[in-house]
Amino acid sequence: LAKTTQPISMDSYEGQEVNITCSHNNIATNDYITWYQQFPSQGPRFIIQGYKTKVTNEVASLFIPADRKSSTLSLPRVSLSDTAVYYCLVGFGSGNTPLVFGKGTRLSVIA
Amino acid sequence: EAQVTQNPRYLITVTGKKLTVTCSQNMNHEYMSWYRQDPGLGLRQIYYSMNVEATDKGDVPEGYKVSRKEKRNFPLILESPSPNQTSLYFCASSRAGGGQPQHFGDGTRLSIL
Repeated sequence: LAKTTQPISMDSYEGQEVNITCSHNNIATNDYITWYQQFPSQGPRFIIQGYKTKVTNEVASLFIPADRKSSTLSLPRVSLSDTAVYYCLVGFGSGNTPLVFGKGTRLSVIA
Repeated sequence: EAQVTQNPRYLITVTGKKLTVTCSQNMNHEYMSWYRQDPGLGLRQIYYSMNVEATDKGDVPEGYKVSRKEKRNFPLILESPSPNQTSLYFCASSRAGGGQPQHFGDGTRLSIL
């Protein structure tokens, strides 16, 4: 099972760029890296997914180095509404293996 | 609207009284999964299903059962609930495989007294 390690918490001021790094040293060749956002009393919500290099969508960017042993979620110009827990998940796209979510990173955005 | 629906959203019950939490998705997804979330432990996978009649254990399957008789439904069954199963439960689905983006339900908060 591919396990992940993330910082427990981070603080940021509004308008700043936030980078959350996830370590996944035993990532397998077929594994994808997926990030989720969770607000209190809600289910996690998909943010972004990537396999290698850089992926960008309307809300975030995902940077993956060549060795793929880590990844960095980048949130540009955060606002108070970005206060949430962010989870990194490593798993095979169509594979039949259990998944292990990390404990997540609690991001607090301060005005 | 694409969604994963869980019922009930809240339940307080007593030790040993069998209960079922239903989960239904309307996206024709192959993959469905159940997670529990406890403070400080993040999300832990209980069971998952790659397709109809195909279920497998996740990280913490003890004390739970599941079934997948239809593609859209994936109920979680607690045959004899115990207080250590008090938790927040989430059902999720994806097109094919847990590594693909998953859609999560709104959660079911279970309290076992």
